[in-house]
Amino acid sequence: QKEVEQDPGPLSVPEGAIVSLNCTYSNSAFQYFMWYRQYSRKGPELLMYTYSSGNKEDGRFTAQVDKSSKYISLFIRDSQPSDSATYLCAMLGDYKLSFGAGTTVTVRA
Amino acid sequence: DTGVSQNPRHKITKRGQNVTFRCDPISEHNRLYWYRQTLGQGPEFLTYFQNEAQLEKSRLLSDRFSAERPKGSFSTLEIQRTEQGDSAMYLCASSLAVGPRPYEQYFGPGTRLTVT
Repeated sequence: QKEVEQDPGPLSVPEGAIVSLNCTYSNSAFQYFMWYRQYSRKGPELLMYTYSSGNKEDGRFTAQVDKSSKYISLFIRDSQPSDSATYLCAMLGDYKLSFGAGTTVTVRA
Repeated sequence: DTGVSQNPRHKITKRGQNVTFRCDPISEHNRLYWYRQTLGQGPEFLTYFQNEAQLEKSRLLSDRFSAERPKGSFSTLEIQRTEQGDSAMYLCASSLAVGPRPYEQYFGPGTRLTVT
């Protein structure tokens, strides 16, 4: 079993919809929880990070962490075609990131 | 551009050949990481440096792989006797070891390796 599980999708939504992404993890040692966005054939770009359980908002993006359930989510409100990308969840223990497989999202105009 | 840079961006090589990739981290970052990403998967950790010291190597890093970071600046990743299974995107990231946000790893654009 992988340390981080993420539904690979793909996910296709109309412009303006809410995109909901999630990951589960098994390692209680993970301290930080990140979401990266990766466009095709590019490196991952850090979108958001959270440390404790709860919600964190940044513009159209909301990250949620539930440490008791080992479950994290990312919501994208008012989705735009430019949000079409692969979204990777990542967890940080001491120094290295453990990634999910990524969910490919397409926002249709 | 002050981000992480990687060269070359693409490399096509024949099985059995040696290849070397270079990563230039963000200048003030003292931690440097190498990850490997195959199609449809997230990046997997290979190794990391703090300054010039290589502090951790994944079991994914076979004896054919070697990484260096002389003088704690740029890093090189060499693969000897390449195999088709080495075909992947090799990603470099850097971060600060201490400070308010040491967990923020910034990634380069990657080097895409194809072994024929």
